[in-house]
Amino acid sequence: SQQGEEDPQALSIQEGENATMNCSYKTSINNLQWYRQNSGRGLVHLILIRSNEREKHSGRLRVTLDTSKKSSSLLITASRAADTASYFCATERDTGFQKLVFGTGTRLLVSP
Amino acid sequence: DTGVSQDPRHKITKRGQNVTFRCDPISEHNRLYWYRQTLGQGPEFLTYFQNEAQLEKSRLLSDRFSAERPKGSFSTLEIQRTEQGDSAMYLCASSFDLPGRMSSGANVLTFGAGSRLTVL
Repeated sequence: SQQGEEDPQALSIQEGENATMNCSYKTSINNLQWYRQNSGRGLVHLILIRSNEREKHSGRLRVTLDTSKKSSSLLITASRAADTASYFCATERDTGFQKLVFGTGTRLLVSP
Repeated sequence: DTGVSQDPRHKITKRGQNVTFRCDPISEHNRLYWYRQTLGQGPEFLTYFQNEAQLEKSRLLSDRFSAERPKGSFSTLEIQRTEQGDSAMYLCASSFDLPGRMSSGANVLTFGAGSRLTVL
């Protein structure tokens, strides 16, 4: 089963625009991570935010976390065609589970 | 170290045959995970090893599935008597963390490129 759901399922924008993806999850977490997957490939870790953090930045990425609403958002600023990929949030629970549970993903298409 | 390696990258088999996938994790990593991903979905957890010990198995892992990690290094995932519903991408990932209270509390996974299974 999948922990989270992402919204929107698909997003199409022009180069230079910002892309925002949202993730909702169900249980208490230790941290939340975002991964990127190019078509037919494995996933690549982008950024991690711990449960006691509210916002984190990494280059053109900005992640927010609202544990009261059990939700997170990923903002990619000044998008590029190379950002075209699927983006997944993943949560690590705070109850000793040692696995990441992934959401359903957002497919981002950035057109030149 | 070139990261997490998976072999084969693509396997086509007939229903009822057995298949085996291999994963070579990053050498310093003590944790190894298997996930399954179907088209348009996120990865679903199958099983997890801490060194050579298999610590958790998903209910998705039926009796036809078996995973091993001898000597805490590479891992194999075998599917016996394959069914068409087994068609998916099988992803392996590894990470390093200390157990229990010494854990950093931030388990970041490095994924391989995956092994795509097609059952005809």
